[in-house]
Amino acid sequence: AQSVTQLGSHVSVSEGALVLLRCNYSSSVPPYLFWYVQYPNQGLQLLLKYTSAATLVKGINGFEAEFKKSETSFHLTKPSAHMSDAAEYFCAVSLTGGFKTIFGAGTRLFVKA
Amino acid sequence: DAGITQSPRHKVTETGTPVTLRCHQTENHRYMYWYRQDPGHGLRLIHYSYGVKDTDKGEVSDGYSVSRSKTEDFLLTLESATSSQTSVYFCAISESASGDTSTDTQYFGPGTRLTVL
Repeated sequence: AQSVTQLGSHVSVSEGALVLLRCNYSSSVPPYLFWYVQYPNQGLQLLLKYTSAATLVKGINGFEAEFKKSETSFHLTKPSAHMSDAAEYFCAVSLTGGFKTIFGAGTRLFVKA
Repeated sequence: DAGITQSPRHKVTETGTPVTLRCHQTENHRYMYWYRQDPGHGLRLIHYSYGVKDTDKGEVSDGYSVSRSKTEDFLLTLESATSSQTSVYFCAISESASGDTSTDTQYFGPGTRLTVL
């Protein structure tokens, strides 16, 4: 069975600093991986996804993530944080042929002025 | 934004009462999902649907039932609400030409905050 672990329930960065949100997965077969973002009082929206093409995936709002099979990781990064990036971020994994996407517990990002 | 609405957006009810949450989409997507979101747990799948009248259980389906009589509507029912079902409920939709939903982007509704007293 697949699972996903997000390291750190809360991450705080200064505006302009690097954003790094960590995600590790467990899967017996090659996974598909996603990052979603949730702004306050809204539903989730897709930031980016890895579907076995390029290992470095670029998403919206300047975010990117790199699939590293050897480390079973899919960390999300952004070079320079903006106040508008403050939100909760969810890593998720799914497997070929499955209807079920498994979400991590989420990481809340705080951005300090 | 994907055309997904959820109703009601907020509801307070008492233990033991039945509750029905509605998800309505205007995208004509085949797949629909109900999740619950709880602190420390992320989103957990309750039930999903892969077509009209075709539904299946997710990882936390106990105490919940669903129905889908039309492509656009997916109903979630709590037959007898309990305090452990206090949560935020999200509906999501996706479309897959191949029938393999594993690479689908899911589009989420705005959520329903349910409180069971």
